[in-house]
Amino acid sequence: EVRLVESGGGLGQPGGSLRLSCATSGFSFSIYSMNWVRQAPGKGLEWVSYITGSSSTIYYADSVKGRFTISRDNAKNSLYLQMNSLRAEDTALYYCARSVQFGFDIWGQGTMVTVSS
Amino acid sequence: QSALTQPPSASGSPGQSVTISCTGTSSDVGGYNYVSWYQQHPGKAPKLLIYEVTKRPSGVPDRFSGSKSGNTASLTVSGLQAEDEADYYCNSYAGSNNLIFGGGTKLTVL
Repeated sequence: EVRLVESGGGLGQPGGSLRLSCATSGFSFSIYSMNWVRQAPGKGLEWVSYITGSSSTIYYADSVKGRFTISRDNAKNSLYLQMNSLRAEDTALYYCARSVQFGFDIWGQGTMVTVSS
Repeated sequence: QSALTQPPSASGSPGQSVTISCTGTSSDVGGYNYVSWYQQHPGKAPKLLIYEVTKRPSGVPDRFSGSKSGNTASLTVSGLQAEDEADYYCNSYAGSNNLIFGGGTKLTVL
């Protein structure tokens, strides 16, 4: 069974940092591009970041560029999102999602990030 | 990059067909055949229904179909069932290494 399990969410201070993780299983992680997608409470979906299987290509949404860093460890079948300089508007449920032709075919259940003092 | 435009709500009776639109520009929906559709039930993760405008992943019923004309993509749900009541989102590649979503449509089965 293909599974994505996010962790690392919680309460972050404005200007602070959090690191999210996504543990995967049931597929050949290293050959798939992966993404982070977020959803603010009661709002729609927003793509955050993308990374290819080899980590050779990385993209970010303008809203997080320069503050967030996506990475992966293929030996551990895991995806990460380092979130720095947190803002209130980063408060959201963060999903990791596997790529399929600029879409997302497998999603985790998400990890909640709340930015507040 | 602005979000794609979806109607906030749509509705239909069981057995009917409903079409949800997703309007963008020539820089996103109209410029690429990379439109996807997702279904999200309350408290659940989104589920992929359609990718590359018309393709259905295995396991998705053929009651769900996608199409595109110009800058507008559409998702049609035929033979509406109670379990189809959910939020639906479109997304598109928007060039310049960017992906954008629509604002979402709440589908009510009457």
